[in-house]
Amino acid sequence: DAGVIQSPRHEVTEMGQEVTLRCKPISGHNSLFWYRQTMMRGLELLIYFNNNVPIDDSGMPEDRFSAKMPNASFSTLKIQPSEPRDSAVYFCASSSTGIEQYFGPGTRLTVT
Amino acid sequence: GIQVEQSPPDLILQEGANSTLRCNFSDSVNNLQWFHQNPWGQLINLFYIPSGTKQNGRLSATTVATERYSLLYISSSQTTDSGVYFCAVGPLLTQGGKLIFGQGTELSVKP
Repeated sequence: DAGVIQSPRHEVTEMGQEVTLRCKPISGHNSLFWYRQTMMRGLELLIYFNNNVPIDDSGMPEDRFSAKMPNASFSTLKIQPSEPRDSAVYFCASSSTGIEQYFGPGTRLTVT
Repeated sequence: GIQVEQSPPDLILQEGANSTLRCNFSDSVNNLQWFHQNPWGQLINLFYIPSGTKQNGRLSATTVATERYSLLYISSSQTTDSGVYFCAVGPLLTQGGKLIFGQGTELSVKP
């Protein structure tokens, strides 16, 4: 299995620009999670989906962040407009049980 | 919400030494996992262990759910064990797969 795939691996953008992060979960997994990792706040859950439906988005920091899962094999996390404080590593994880989670390699986002 | 505390925050070992990492959590959970984040940033699932003991090679983990702690043992450490070890817990309520991560223990194994 290829594991969880994320793209891009690195993204550098200017403040105010739209950023779209992409995730392909492990085939057959029906839960998908988006996390953000920063030095200050550690690893935080932003949102998770079960069977393509958002279950808990209480971790999404503000309206500038949105996430979609149009089908079982693809999800996006969008930031519009981006700000320097959004700089972080964004991880996607998937699970077949909703319990054990398998993480992708992450996208390192830098907003200047 | 649930609090997760890991200790020690940092640990330096000589290759071959053994170590114990601890995770305390503030409320009952039905999900506890240990992860290793390697120096390249990849998060790797080590154990799903809400209770009891599991072993995988040189690593083993024990969770005492009634006392709200979990331990990760690393024996005969190798330089490849370096990185950050995270404990993550999920609450008992119907919150699906939501995990709350501790701040991690940063392990450095010297040759």
